[in-house]
This record gives sequence, C-alpha cells and structure tokens, in this order.
Amino acid sequence: AQKVTQAQTEISVVEKEDVTLDCVYETRDTTYYLFWYKQPPSGELVFLIRRNSFDEQNEISGRYSWNFQKSTSSFNFTITASQVVDSAVYFCALIRRNTGGFKTIFGAGTRLFVKA
Amino acid sequence: GAVVSQHPSRVICKSGTSVKIECRSLDFQATTMFWYRQFPKQSLMLMATSNEGSKATYEQGVEKDKFLINHASLTLSTLTVTSAHPEDSSFYICSARLGSRNEQFFGPGTRLTVL
Repeated sequence: AQKVTQAQTEISVVEKEDVTLDCVYETRDTTYYLFWYKQPPSGELVFLIRRNSFDEQNEISGRYSWNFQKSTSSFNFTITASQVVDSAVYFCALIRRNTGGFKTIFGAGTRLFVKA
Repeated sequence: GAVVSQHPSRVICKSGTSVKIECRSLDFQATTMFWYRQFPKQSLMLMATSNEGSKATYEQGVEKDKFLINHASLTLSTLTVTSAHPEDSSFYICSARLGSRNEQFFGPGTRLTVL
C-alpha cells in the first residue's frame, strides 16, 4: 500500500518556539520522491522541498530543516523560531513512478497555528 | 520557475449550470496535467490525470460525465463541472508536470460555490 501519514492534525505554538511536523510514508517502490508543501489561507500550494529516495541527506533552508530517514520511513519537517507567518496547513506528499505513470499521494495535512 | 495559472480564481453559480475552469502552464509545456479537489480542512484528492491529446484517466469514484476534462494543448487543460450542485462546491486545484521531471507545479486553485 502507498500511504502518507501526518498524525498531527493541528499544532499550536507560540512565536519563536521550534516545531516539528511529522510525516511517515509507506511504499513498496525503491524509487520515490517526497515533498513538503505549505498551504496558507489563500489556498495556493507553496513548494518547500523535494527529496528523492536515494538522497538521505538532511537539508536546512533558513529556519526550515528536514530530516529524511529511510530506516523509519519518515520525512519530518522542523521550523525553528516559528513566526506568525508560518501559520498554514503543511502537506507531506509522496510521488511514485511506476508502470502506471506518475501519481502523488498526499498526507492529510497538519494545521499549524503560531500565536504572537 | 515554472508557473501554472488557473482561471477563474473564484466562481459562484446557480445549481444546474455548468462551470469551466482553465489551467494553463505559462512558461513550459505540460504533457501531463492533474486535477485535484479539496474539501474544507481536508487533503487534496486526485480526481483525474490528463495527457495532451488523449482522454483523461479518472480516479475511482470520480464521475467522468460530471467532471469533463479536456487537454487540447500542451499548455491548457480545462475542467468542466456539468450541471453543478451544491455538493460540488469545493476548491479545485490543477497541477502540471514538466516533461519527465518528477515533480509538478500547482495552480493557485479555483474556489467553486454552487448555490
């Protein structure tokens, strides 16, 4: 089964706190791609990061960092020193490529509230 | 970067009318476009995959006669919600795949309200 689980439905933090959003995936494919997207209240999906299954290097981009661990099938996202503008819904997604084509599987999303 | 536009951004219509939503890749050719539907506080649900010049592939449970998809060119796909009803009210998002790259670029979405 192909599945993306974001167990945290909602998270509420106070500004400047660090927050980690969890993502666990299931796939039988050896080649796959993982993504994180941000969806602010406007609704437009904002691309944050892409990782392929062969690249387990963690990545840091400003206040954002990602921890990809194949051993636990997790791709967690940490926001350091959160800000009110980080309030949004965050989606983790898996793209699989197989003989059937190209398909994206989204997690349920985690709604992050950052209070001033 | 690759840009995808959607038009209209919002539409309100009466029950029974048909609504057409356009999805355009502005600076690249998209061999494949995808249509998603998102209900409030829920995730994106893939409705269909459309390849230029061929019929769309619909996901299980999506009525092809209700949601007509046309991908007439490499930069344009349209979704027509036929005989819309209040339960069709939703946020519709398209995305386009750039060539054989393993990523897609999303449009800003269209919020449909059926009265």
